[in-house]
Amino acid sequence: SQQGEEDPQALSIQEGENATMNCSYKTSINNLQWYRQNSGRGLVHLILIRSNEREKHSGRLRVTLDTSKKSSSLLITASRAADTASYFCATDLGYTPLVFGKGTRLSVIA
Amino acid sequence: GAVVSQHPSWVICKSGTSVKIECRSLDFQATTMFWYRQFPKQSLMLMATSNEGSKATYEQGVEKDKFLINHASLTLSTLTVTSAHPEDSSFYICSARDTRGTRTDTQYFGPGTRLTVL
Repeated sequence: SQQGEEDPQALSIQEGENATMNCSYKTSINNLQWYRQNSGRGLVHLILIRSNEREKHSGRLRVTLDTSKKSSSLLITASRAADTASYFCATDLGYTPLVFGKGTRLSVIA
Repeated sequence: GAVVSQHPSWVICKSGTSVKIECRSLDFQATTMFWYRQFPKQSLMLMATSNEGSKATYEQGVEKDKFLINHASLTLSTLTVTSAHPEDSSFYICSARDTRGTRTDTQYFGPGTRLTVL
């Protein structure tokens, strides 16, 4: 079963703009992770945030986690055409398999 | 970093035939591996959890007799799609957990196998 819902399902922005994607989940979690997937390719791990963390940064990525609202957001700043991909959040309880959200398809127009 | 490989990367087969997909952890041992399926423009859905030396655990709605999983060693799990039909065409992705490393809660994903059944 799928745990999360990403919002929006699709997002189209101009190069240089920021992209924000949201993820909501239903049950308690230990970790929440964000992945990128280019069309027809495998997953690329972006960032992991633990349930006791509220914010993490990695390069142009910023992830926040609000466990009280069971939600997370992924911000990509100064987007590039190469950021065009699908982005998924995934949650787990530490030793349980990752459960993926439905994903957001991001298009960055040059 | 930990690497997971899959073979083949893509396969085309005729309806009714069986196809075996291999998932290997290359530089770590994995007592647990996971198999996911992804249909076009959809998310990854967990099919089953593969445990070394024991039977796999299947998610609800996944036919265990159709999707045979064998995890015979600490570095290899195989998924066999038996009597494949066009509706089985999908992207199959495995992942493995480094059960003896320091980051035992991290799943490492393979590059996926594209199955097309004609």
